[in-house]
Order: sequence, then C-alpha cells, then structure tokens
Amino acid sequence: DTAVSQTPKYLVTQMGNDKSIKCEQNLGHDTMYWYKQDSKKFLKIMFSYNNKELIINETVPNRFSPKSPDKAHLNLHINSLELGDSAVYFCASSLGLAGVGETQYFGPGTRLLVL
Amino acid sequence: GENVEQHPSTLSVQEGDSAVIKCTYSDSASNYFPWYKQELGKRPQLIIDIRSNVGEKKDQRIAVTLNKTAKHFSLHITETQPEDSAVYFCAASTFGGTSYGKLTFGQGTILTVHP
Repeated sequence: DTAVSQTPKYLVTQMGNDKSIKCEQNLGHDTMYWYKQDSKKFLKIMFSYNNKELIINETVPNRFSPKSPDKAHLNLHINSLELGDSAVYFCASSLGLAGVGETQYFGPGTRLLVL
Repeated sequence: GENVEQHPSTLSVQEGDSAVIKCTYSDSASNYFPWYKQELGKRPQLIIDIRSNVGEKKDQRIAVTLNKTAKHFSLHITETQPEDSAVYFCAASTFGGTSYGKLTFGQGTILTVHP
C-alpha cells in the first residue's frame, strides 16, 4: 500500500558510471517530480511531468534525463556520474500541480554516493 | 524566478515553548505557501499550507500567517514537543511559462526541542 516508492534506496557508484533511479506512485496522481536534496538539506526541483508531459525542466546538466513511460512512473537516468551528484534524490507526486495548491507526496528518497 | 529566504537556519527551544520560523518570497504573483516537515532520514511531509486569500490558518498546535504586502509568511508551533524536532521547509509557488506549478523551497530550519 506504499503511496510513492523509489528504487534503489541506496546507490553507491564510481565516477563516470551511468545509473538509474525508478519511481512509482499508486495514488492515481497526474503529476510527478524529481527533487535533489544536497548535503545542506537544500531541496531543489529538477523536473516535473504532468500526464507524461515534461512541464518543469530546471537548469540541470543534460547528463540527467527523466523518462515517464506512463503517469504512474517517473525514472531518472544519470550519465557520467560526478562527485557533485552525491545527494538524496526524492521523487514526489501530486494530483494536479503542486504550485496551484495540490499536496505533494514524497517518496522515501534515494541516497546516491559517487566515489 | 522566485526566491524564498528562510530564517533562522537553526532553532533550539525547550519543550512547551513556542517556535516561530519566518520566510520571505520575491515573486508577488505567488499565491500558495506550504510548509513541510522532514524528520531525520525521512521524506518531507506537508504539515500546513495557506493561500494568498487567507491571512492566517491554524491546525491544532500549528499556525501559519501570511502578509502579502510585505511578502512574508511564518510558521508558529505552540507547546512544542520533542517529536516536533525536525527540519522545516517553507515553499512558495511560481506561475507562468516553464515554472508553472513549481514550488520553490526555503533553505530549511533545523528545529530542536529539548525535553
């Protein structure tokens, strides 16, 4: 009965590798998000999809590529990982758009450590 | 784009005292302001929100006030308990263009409630 789930929970990898994080929500929401939380706890949006359409694309290196195969799933692929990519990545979903007052529900986070 | 400043960055209180966290925002078009609580190692969760047509909202021990003229809003927690210890984030919504539906978060406040 998990609302928003992410896999993996922890990811330790070497610089230069390519990795993917998966997110699924079973809430029937139309909108999904990826956030990055750095070591200082700063929470910053990266991408948002509404009904599989990209609607928010912040200034993120093009090594990061989101993909939404359907509105219940939003994956994040990262190419050529760098040390600075180490962070906690949160997936979130909302029924409509969070910025118009819809509650965002966050996943448990994926702790990425690049060595 | 929207900029949200949050103060203080850390706040330490005794159990039973009140705690106040303040945020200012830059975009006068913003009209939705949620607050999230993040316990250590956990996901952020919405605790209260307010829209620009309301000046104050209360939910048990938690209240939020909004001053649109001054572009600031505050979280008030009364009768604090040790379980209130967490990181609290304010956020403001931004509309228009590629920012539609986007929430911009403040830097977070680490609240510690001492028994």
